[in-house]
Order: sequence, then structure tokens, then C-alpha cells
Amino acid sequence: AQSVTQPDIHITVSEGASLELRCNYSYGATPYLFWYVQSPGQGLQLLLKYFSGDTLVQGIKGFEAEFKRSQSSFNLRKPSVHWSDAAEYFCAVGERSSASKIIFGSGTRLSIRP
Amino acid sequence: DTGVSQDPRHKITKRGQNVTFRCDPISEHNRLYWYRQTLGQGPEFLTYFQNEAQLEKSRLLSDRFSAERPKGSFSTLEIQRTEQGDSAMYLCASSSPRQGDTEAFFGQGTRLTVV
Repeated sequence: AQSVTQPDIHITVSEGASLELRCNYSYGATPYLFWYVQSPGQGLQLLLKYFSGDTLVQGIKGFEAEFKRSQSSFNLRKPSVHWSDAAEYFCAVGERSSASKIIFGSGTRLSIRP
Repeated sequence: DTGVSQDPRHKITKRGQNVTFRCDPISEHNRLYWYRQTLGQGPEFLTYFQNEAQLEKSRLLSDRFSAERPKGSFSTLEIQRTEQGDSAMYLCASSSPRQGDTEAFFGQGTRLTVV
């Protein structure tokens, strides 16, 4: 069965510092992989997605993620965080038969220290 | 295009009452999904439609839950005899085959509180 693990429940980083959010997945084949962001009172917004090809994918708001098949990981990175990046981040895996039916991790809450 | 719209945004109900939520997907999106998100957790898949056909239901969707999409446009999710454990955010999403169904667009959700 598919599953997604986000080992960090809560992370605090200083504004301007770099960020890496971890994500590990379990899937029988090459999955579709996503990162979503959810701000308080807002819906889920797609940051980036990986389907195939280049394993380093660029997303919106300066985020990027790298697919590492050998480690079953899809970590999210940003070189310099802004206070507006404070939110909940969800890693997710999708089935090839229906990429929109996706399984979410439990999320990582990001706080920004001024 | 105004995105995925959900109504109401908040609902407080007494235990045992029935509630119904509505989702209006992005126009021309033929796939529509319902998810449930409890506090501190990621969204969990409940069910999805392709046009008016309900193609899959999660085991999370008990007999008290029913979803419809009668004309392949908007969808409703009804919960009968609500229980306190039903308190959650109910999210709707839609996707388009023109985009290869590779991205689901989410609404802002309906927050249900059962008291």
C-alpha cells in the first residue's frame, strides 16, 4: 500500500535561512510525487510535482524538490525562507492510474523566527 | 474561472443531525474528489467521481456518508446521524483530463463541528 512519511512534525527556522523538509514514500513503482502548502484558513496549493524526467523539480515561490529513488525520498528545499512561508506543508504520492487520487503525509508545520 | 467553491465554509451541528455540503468544481473539470482532514493530519481520500459516475469509495466512507454528482457538475456530500468523530475539514478537489488529471485543485473546505 502506498504511504507517505513526513518525520518532522514541526520545524522552526530563522528568516533568511535555508530550509529542507523531509519526505519518504512507499510505493510499488515510480510514483507521482507532490508537495502542497496549506496556510491557515486557506485551501491546499500545489508547490511542485514530479512525474518523470529530471529528478530536481522547480516549483513556485522559490521551492524545489529532489526525487531520489534509491532513498525513496522527495525532500523539499528553499535556499532562503521568508516570513510568509510559515504554513503547513504536505508531501503526497499519487497513483499512475489517477494522479489526482493522492495519499498525503501527515504534514510538517513550518514556523519562521524573525 | 473562480476555482473550486465549497459551501458552507463552516457548519456546526448537533450530534445525530444530518448535514449536506456542496462542492462546485472548476468548470469543465470532469473529475471531482472528496477528502477529509482532521486536526494535525493530512487529507484522507474519501471518494471520487468521473463525470456523474462515482468510481471509488474509501473504507473511511461509512454507510452514513453518501456523495452524489447527479449531472456531472456540482457534488454533494451528506453525512447522516452525525457523530463527534465526524468533526473535520471536508475538502473538495477537481481535475481536468486536458491537463492529464495530473493536478488536483482544492477548494477551501467546509469545516464541520459536531457538538
